[in-house]
Amino acid sequence: QVQLVQSGAEVKKPGASVKVSCKASGYTFNDYYVHWVRQAPGQGLEWMGRITPYNGATISAQKFQDRATMSSDTSISTAYMQLNRLTSDDTAVYYCARVPVRYYSGMDVWGQGTTVIVSS
Amino acid sequence: SFELTQPPSVTVSPGQTAEITCSGDALPNQYVYWYQQKPGQAPILVIHKDTERPSGIPERFSGSTSGKTVTLTISGVRAEDEADYYCQSADSSDWVFGGGTKLTVL
Repeated sequence: QVQLVQSGAEVKKPGASVKVSCKASGYTFNDYYVHWVRQAPGQGLEWMGRITPYNGATISAQKFQDRATMSSDTSISTAYMQLNRLTSDDTAVYYCARVPVRYYSGMDVWGQGTTVIVSS
Repeated sequence: SFELTQPPSVTVSPGQTAEITCSGDALPNQYVYWYQQKPGQAPILVIHKDTERPSGIPERFSGSTSGKTVTLTISGVRAEDEADYYCQSADSSDWVFGGGTKLTVL
Protein backbone atom coordinates (compact mmCIF):
# COMPACT_ATOMS: atom_id res chain seq x y z
CA GLN A 1 0.00 0.00 0.00
CA VAL A 2 1.01 3.63 -0.40
CA GLN A 3 2.91 4.84 2.61
CA LEU A 4 5.56 7.18 3.91
CA VAL A 5 7.64 5.83 6.78
CA GLN A 6 9.73 8.26 8.78
CA SER A 7 12.78 7.75 10.94
CA GLY A 8 12.56 7.50 14.70
CA ALA A 9 12.46 10.09 17.44
CA GLU A 10 15.49 12.24 18.14
CA VAL A 11 16.78 14.13 21.15
CA LYS A 12 19.25 16.88 20.37
CA LYS A 13 21.11 19.58 22.22
CA PRO A 14 20.73 23.26 21.30
CA GLY A 15 22.98 24.19 18.41
CA ALA A 16 23.03 20.69 16.97
CA SER A 17 21.51 19.45 13.70
CA VAL A 18 18.90 16.78 13.03
CA LYS A 19 18.21 14.84 9.84
CA VAL A 20 14.83 13.18 9.39
CA SER A 21 14.19 10.63 6.67
CA CYS A 22 10.98 9.75 4.86
CA LYS A 23 10.87 6.52 2.85
CA ALA A 24 8.15 6.18 0.22
CA SER A 25 6.63 2.94 -0.99
CA GLY A 26 3.68 1.79 -3.06
CA TYR A 27 3.87 4.57 -5.68
CA THR A 28 6.24 6.17 -8.20
CA PHE A 29 8.44 8.38 -6.06
CA ASN A 30 9.22 10.86 -8.85
CA ASP A 31 5.54 11.59 -9.53
CA TYR A 32 5.07 13.42 -6.23
CA TYR A 33 6.60 16.33 -4.35
CA VAL A 34 7.61 15.63 -0.77
CA HIS A 35 6.60 18.35 1.64
CA TRP A 36 7.76 18.85 5.22
CA VAL A 37 5.39 20.13 7.89
CA ARG A 38 6.02 20.51 11.60
CA GLN A 39 3.82 20.83 14.65
CA ALA A 40 5.08 22.17 17.96
CA PRO A 41 3.43 20.81 21.11
CA GLY A 42 -0.14 22.08 21.35
CA GLN A 43 0.27 24.20 18.24
CA GLY A 44 -0.93 24.14 14.64
CA LEU A 45 0.64 22.89 11.44
CA GLU A 46 3.56 24.83 9.95
CA TRP A 47 4.78 24.29 6.40
CA MET A 48 8.55 24.12 6.07
CA GLY A 49 9.17 23.41 2.41
CA ARG A 50 9.06 20.87 -0.38
CA ILE A 51 11.38 18.98 -2.70
CA THR A 52 10.85 17.71 -6.25
CA PRO A 53 12.52 14.29 -6.06
CA TYR A 54 13.40 13.81 -9.72
CA ASN A 55 15.47 16.99 -10.00
CA GLY A 56 16.15 17.97 -6.39
CA ALA A 57 14.54 21.40 -6.72
CA THR A 58 13.43 22.83 -3.41
CA ILE A 59 11.19 25.61 -2.12
CA SER A 60 11.36 26.61 1.52
CA ALA A 61 9.31 28.83 3.75
CA GLN A 62 11.20 32.04 4.34
CA LYS A 63 11.52 31.23 8.03
CA PHE A 64 13.57 28.09 7.27
CA GLN A 65 15.54 29.14 4.20
CA ASP A 66 18.85 29.48 6.02
CA ARG A 67 18.50 26.51 8.39
CA ALA A 68 16.65 23.71 6.63
CA THR A 69 18.04 21.54 3.84
CA MET A 70 15.84 19.14 1.93
CA SER A 71 17.27 16.37 -0.22
CA SER A 72 16.25 13.10 -1.81
CA ASP A 73 17.72 9.81 -3.00
CA THR A 74 15.56 8.47 -5.79
CA SER A 75 17.42 5.15 -5.82
CA ILE A 76 15.87 4.30 -2.46
CA SER A 77 12.73 6.48 -2.72
CA THR A 78 13.70 8.48 0.33
CA ALA A 79 13.51 12.17 1.15
CA TYR A 80 15.42 13.92 3.90
CA MET A 81 15.06 17.11 5.89
CA GLN A 82 17.98 18.46 7.87
CA LEU A 83 17.48 21.30 10.31
CA ASN A 84 20.55 23.10 11.64
CA ARG A 85 21.29 25.27 14.65
CA LEU A 86 18.49 23.80 16.70
CA THR A 87 16.84 25.70 19.54
CA SER A 88 14.15 24.69 22.00
CA ASP A 89 11.61 26.29 19.64
CA ASP A 90 12.35 23.50 17.16
CA THR A 91 10.91 20.88 19.51
CA ALA A 92 8.07 19.49 17.42
CA VAL A 93 6.69 16.57 15.47
CA TYR A 94 7.99 16.69 11.92
CA TYR A 95 5.88 15.20 9.14
CA CYS A 96 6.56 14.45 5.50
CA ALA A 97 3.66 14.35 3.05
CA ARG A 98 3.29 13.85 -0.68
CA VAL A 99 1.59 16.04 -3.29
CA PRO A 100 1.22 15.14 -7.00
CA VAL A 101 3.58 16.95 -9.34
CA ARG A 102 1.28 17.04 -12.35
CA TYR A 103 -2.03 18.24 -10.95
CA TYR A 104 -3.48 20.26 -8.11
CA SER A 105 -4.06 18.31 -4.94
CA GLY A 106 -3.53 18.51 -1.24
CA MET A 107 -1.23 16.38 0.87
CA ASP A 108 -2.95 13.05 0.43
CA VAL A 109 -0.51 10.74 2.21
CA TRP A 110 1.43 11.62 5.36
CA GLY A 111 4.22 9.98 7.26
CA GLN A 112 3.65 8.95 10.84
CA GLY A 113 5.66 11.87 12.17
CA THR A 114 9.06 12.13 13.83
CA THR A 115 9.35 13.69 17.26
CA VAL A 116 12.36 15.93 17.69
CA ILE A 117 13.14 17.18 21.19
CA VAL A 118 15.72 19.90 21.66
CA SER A 119 16.92 20.09 25.22
CA SER A 120 20.15 20.78 27.05
CA SER B 1 3.13 35.42 1.90
CA PHE B 2 -0.53 35.34 2.83
CA GLU B 3 -2.67 34.41 5.82
CA LEU B 4 -5.61 32.12 6.44
CA THR B 5 -7.96 32.77 9.37
CA GLN B 6 -10.06 30.11 11.10
CA PRO B 7 -12.21 30.28 14.23
CA PRO B 8 -10.40 28.63 17.16
CA SER B 9 -13.33 26.44 18.08
CA VAL B 10 -16.72 25.18 16.96
CA THR B 11 -19.09 23.16 19.12
CA VAL B 12 -22.03 21.11 17.85
CA SER B 13 -24.29 18.35 19.10
CA PRO B 14 -24.31 14.92 17.45
CA GLY B 15 -26.45 14.87 14.33
CA GLN B 16 -26.20 18.61 13.79
CA THR B 17 -24.30 20.41 11.03
CA ALA B 18 -20.89 21.90 11.71
CA GLU B 19 -19.51 24.72 9.59
CA ILE B 20 -15.85 25.72 9.81
CA THR B 21 -14.73 28.77 7.90
CA CYS B 22 -11.38 29.79 6.46
CA SER B 23 -10.84 33.34 5.27
CA GLY B 24 -8.08 35.05 3.35
CA ASP B 25 -7.59 37.77 0.78
CA ALA B 26 -5.88 35.38 -1.62
CA LEU B 27 -8.57 32.74 -1.58
CA PRO B 28 -10.60 33.75 -4.61
CA ASN B 29 -7.52 32.87 -6.69
CA GLN B 30 -6.22 29.77 -4.91
CA TYR B 31 -7.53 26.34 -4.06
CA VAL B 32 -8.14 25.41 -0.43
CA TYR B 33 -7.55 22.01 1.13
CA TRP B 34 -8.94 20.76 4.44
CA TYR B 35 -7.30 18.35 6.87
CA GLN B 36 -8.64 16.53 9.90
CA GLN B 37 -6.24 15.75 12.72
CA LYS B 38 -7.04 13.67 15.78
CA PRO B 39 -4.79 13.68 18.86
CA GLY B 40 -1.54 11.85 18.32
CA GLN B 41 -2.24 11.19 14.65
CA ALA B 42 -1.04 12.61 11.35
CA PRO B 43 -3.48 14.83 9.46
CA ILE B 44 -5.86 13.37 6.88
CA LEU B 45 -6.97 15.18 3.73
CA VAL B 46 -10.77 15.46 3.78
CA ILE B 47 -11.45 18.07 1.06
CA HIS B 48 -9.25 19.15 -1.85
CA LYS B 49 -9.57 21.84 -4.50
CA ASP B 50 -12.20 23.68 -2.42
CA THR B 51 -15.05 21.21 -2.88
CA GLU B 52 -13.81 17.76 -3.88
CA ARG B 53 -13.88 14.83 -1.52
CA PRO B 54 -11.04 12.30 -1.77
CA SER B 55 -11.97 8.65 -2.03
CA GLY B 56 -12.76 7.10 1.32
CA ILE B 57 -13.95 10.33 2.93
CA PRO B 58 -17.59 10.12 4.09
CA GLU B 59 -20.19 12.05 2.11
CA ARG B 60 -21.09 14.10 5.19
CA PHE B 61 -17.91 16.13 4.56
CA SER B 62 -18.31 18.87 1.96
CA GLY B 63 -16.66 22.12 0.97
CA SER B 64 -17.93 25.36 -0.48
CA THR B 65 -16.51 28.70 -1.42
CA SER B 66 -17.74 32.27 -1.56
CA GLY B 67 -15.35 35.07 -2.33
CA LYS B 68 -12.64 35.28 0.30
CA THR B 69 -14.18 32.59 2.51
CA VAL B 70 -14.26 28.84 2.13
CA THR B 71 -16.30 26.59 4.37
CA LEU B 72 -15.96 23.00 5.49
CA THR B 73 -19.37 21.55 6.30
CA ILE B 74 -19.89 18.34 8.22
CA SER B 75 -23.49 17.19 8.04
CA GLY B 76 -24.91 14.84 10.64
CA VAL B 77 -21.88 15.19 12.88
CA ARG B 78 -20.74 12.07 14.71
CA ALA B 79 -18.68 11.80 17.87
CA GLU B 80 -15.81 10.44 15.78
CA ASP B 81 -15.64 13.75 13.90
CA GLU B 82 -14.30 15.51 16.98
CA ALA B 83 -10.86 16.69 15.90
CA ASP B 84 -8.79 19.67 14.84
CA TYR B 85 -9.43 20.89 11.30
CA TYR B 86 -6.94 22.90 9.25
CA CYS B 87 -7.40 24.72 5.98
CA GLN B 88 -4.41 25.11 3.68
CA SER B 89 -3.70 26.99 0.47
CA ALA B 90 -0.71 27.71 -1.73
CA ASP B 91 0.70 30.14 -4.22
CA SER B 92 3.72 29.58 -6.47
CA SER B 93 6.22 29.68 -3.64
CA ASP B 94 4.44 29.35 -0.34
CA TRP B 95 2.12 26.86 1.33
CA VAL B 96 0.17 28.17 4.30
CA PHE B 97 -2.03 26.54 6.92
CA GLY B 98 -4.76 28.23 8.85
CA GLY B 99 -4.44 28.26 12.61
CA GLY B 100 -6.80 25.34 13.03
CA THR B 101 -10.29 24.88 14.46
CA LYS B 102 -11.09 22.50 17.28
CA LEU B 103 -14.42 20.81 16.62
CA THR B 104 -16.08 19.64 19.80
CA VAL B 105 -19.04 17.28 19.64
CA LEU B 106 -21.09 17.54 22.83
